[in-house]
Amino acid sequence: DAGVTQSPTHLIKTRGQQVTLRCSPKSGHDTVSWYQQALGQGPQFIFQYYEEEERQRGNFPDRFSGHQFPNYSSELNVNALLLGDSALYLCASSLLGDRPLGEQYFGPGTRLTVT
Amino acid sequence: AQSVTQLDSQVPVFEEAPVELRCNYSSSVSVYLFWYVQYPNQGLQLLLKYLSGSTLVESINGFEAEFNKSQTSFHLRKPSVHISDTAEYFCAVSEIYNQGGKLIFGQGTELSVKP
Repeated sequence: DAGVTQSPTHLIKTRGQQVTLRCSPKSGHDTVSWYQQALGQGPQFIFQYYEEEERQRGNFPDRFSGHQFPNYSSELNVNALLLGDSALYLCASSLLGDRPLGEQYFGPGTRLTVT
Repeated sequence: AQSVTQLDSQVPVFEEAPVELRCNYSSSVSVYLFWYVQYPNQGLQLLLKYLSGSTLVESINGFEAEFNKSQTSFHLRKPSVHISDTAEYFCAVSEIYNQGGKLIFGQGTELSVKP
């Protein structure tokens, strides 16, 4: 049973460019959450997708957008990249209806460097 | 709104010594509590969680954490650490009434176990 997978593992972009990161959830999961982890910091919630719609959003600008596909995989898009967007981007999947808690399982992350 | 404070950014300790990683949280609503571990260049792995019931929860590799509602704390302890416990540890919370929703993380504590 494959866990959460993310691609690419590493990425280098230039300021002002756009980037797309991809995530495939754990088998059986229907919800995908994205987190940004800056160096030396804890992960910060970007947004969560369920049934192809954004269910929740953290305090990130509109430059950060996402999408969820019918097969539950997800993309994170960042436009007009800034140096401060350099971070590890983590994807987490869960089964929303799972009780008592839709536990989130994390992927290995995509390391984005903006130069 | 919720916030999580990890009181120590770095904890150096000798092998086989006991360790405590401290976590305090602030929330106006009831929360679930978690400890995650992150090994170098990897994603997050759930170490243990408190949902309800006994305030002392244990992991399979010897860690335990105690939920203290009056002190709003969820400290992580291990009576005897191994070299392999060297990693970054994150305390996190999520709202009970937002099942499967966003996790709020602390800044992390780097545990360094020396021989």
